[in-house]
Amino acid sequence: EAQVTQNPRYLITVTGKKLTVTCSQNMNHEYMSWYRQDPGLGLRQIYYSMNVEVTDKGDVPEGYKVSRKEKRNFPLILESPSPNQTSLYFCASSLEGEANSPLHFGNGTRLTVT
Amino acid sequence: ILNVEQSPQSLHVQEGDSTNFTCSFPSSNFYALHWYRWETAKSPEALFVMTLNGDEKKKGRISATLNTKEGYSYLYIKGSQPEDSATYLCAFYGSARQLTFGSGTQLTVLP
Repeated sequence: EAQVTQNPRYLITVTGKKLTVTCSQNMNHEYMSWYRQDPGLGLRQIYYSMNVEVTDKGDVPEGYKVSRKEKRNFPLILESPSPNQTSLYFCASSLEGEANSPLHFGNGTRLTVT
Repeated sequence: ILNVEQSPQSLHVQEGDSTNFTCSFPSSNFYALHWYRWETAKSPEALFVMTLNGDEKKKGRISATLNTKEGYSYLYIKGSQPEDSATYLCAFYGSARQLTFGSGTQLTVLP
């Protein structure tokens, strides 16, 4: 089954404790990206990747890191989480970029930073 | 900062009613407009990707139209069913070369 898999689904952590949210897709998609969803706001892009070893900042990249060492994986790293990073996070992939290809979303990770 | 507005923010309709909602976006430098359906506790699913002015797309009872000159798209649901209850998101892709999402229209279909 074609899918984007995120883990974990729920995570509660404390300020400053490094964490990684994993994302993997099995559709051989070139493009992957991370979004956060906060109440009353649209999905906001954190980082995106057009291909292996090619990553770039989205609208809200501060406090996050990503890597794309393999085509299928695009982990999101919070080196020193803070409470303002409490949010619902989505990983997404598409065949080629965001313009003409629909995004396929993972199931989301709800992160709470205390 | 691009402005992608969706209206209404939420609405309740009775089962069997037809309904529609709006996505407004910048009318210049248009590349594409996406619609997604997001059910509670699930992930957003793509409905349509629209690229041409005057484009109309249909998927079952759901259809969408696009007017790039005036900067709006309508999403229509014919004969709403309780399973149509979801948040409907639109996203605009322009010269900034990234998708900008609206905050969604939350639809509740009452049985």
